[in-house]
Amino acid sequence: NAGVTQTPKFQVLKTGQSMTLQCAQDMNHEYMSWYRQDPGMGLRLIHYSVGAGITDQGEVPNGYNVSRSTTEDFPLRLLSAAPSQTSVYFCASSYSRVGGGPGELFFGEGSRLTVL
Amino acid sequence: AQTVTQSQPEMSVQEAETVTLSCTYDTSENNYYLFWYKQPPSRQMILVIRQEAYKQQNATENRFSVNFQKAAKSFSLKISDSQLGDTAMYFCAFRINAGNMLTFGGGTRLMVKP
Repeated sequence: NAGVTQTPKFQVLKTGQSMTLQCAQDMNHEYMSWYRQDPGMGLRLIHYSVGAGITDQGEVPNGYNVSRSTTEDFPLRLLSAAPSQTSVYFCASSYSRVGGGPGELFFGEGSRLTVL
Repeated sequence: AQTVTQSQPEMSVQEAETVTLSCTYDTSENNYYLFWYKQPPSRQMILVIRQEAYKQQNATENRFSVNFQKAAKSFSLKISDSQLGDTAMYFCAFRINAGNMLTFGGGTRLMVKP
């Protein structure tokens, strides 16, 4: 199993450019999410989805868009990149556990984004 | 809203010794899960151990164990017989029973010295 696959692993952008971080999982997980990791702040939730066609905002959604057209894919879009979006981004998925269960998150390998 | 606090930004330990990483959390929920994730220099997030809040017995996974104090809202990680491969960032995380989202602490960077 490939698990959770993120691309690209590294990206450098100029302020104002747009880009999409791709995320795909092959575990048939209903729940998918995007986090950003910044020094001293742990991982903060950007957006999440509990199934195809359903998305919602997390803790830090501004400047990011998502969509979920299939169970497998959950891309994260930066429409106009800003230096404050320099970070490491993680996609993570799990079985939906509304109502109970451990709901362990499976993470991709991360994408380091630098905005100049 | 839930918050998770890791008060030790950095720690070090000699190889083969024992180290304890602290984590406290704040919630009004009664049913939830707690996790410790390890992030080595490769950046991969690896689940180390998890604890169900309704279980009184502390979880154990080989050299890793937790001290779960529900009343005090404390969830510390003990690493016994530390190995060089334990060098990593460690994150404490919280999830309510009826949801999927994890809330993470700020992390503790652990260095195991030879």
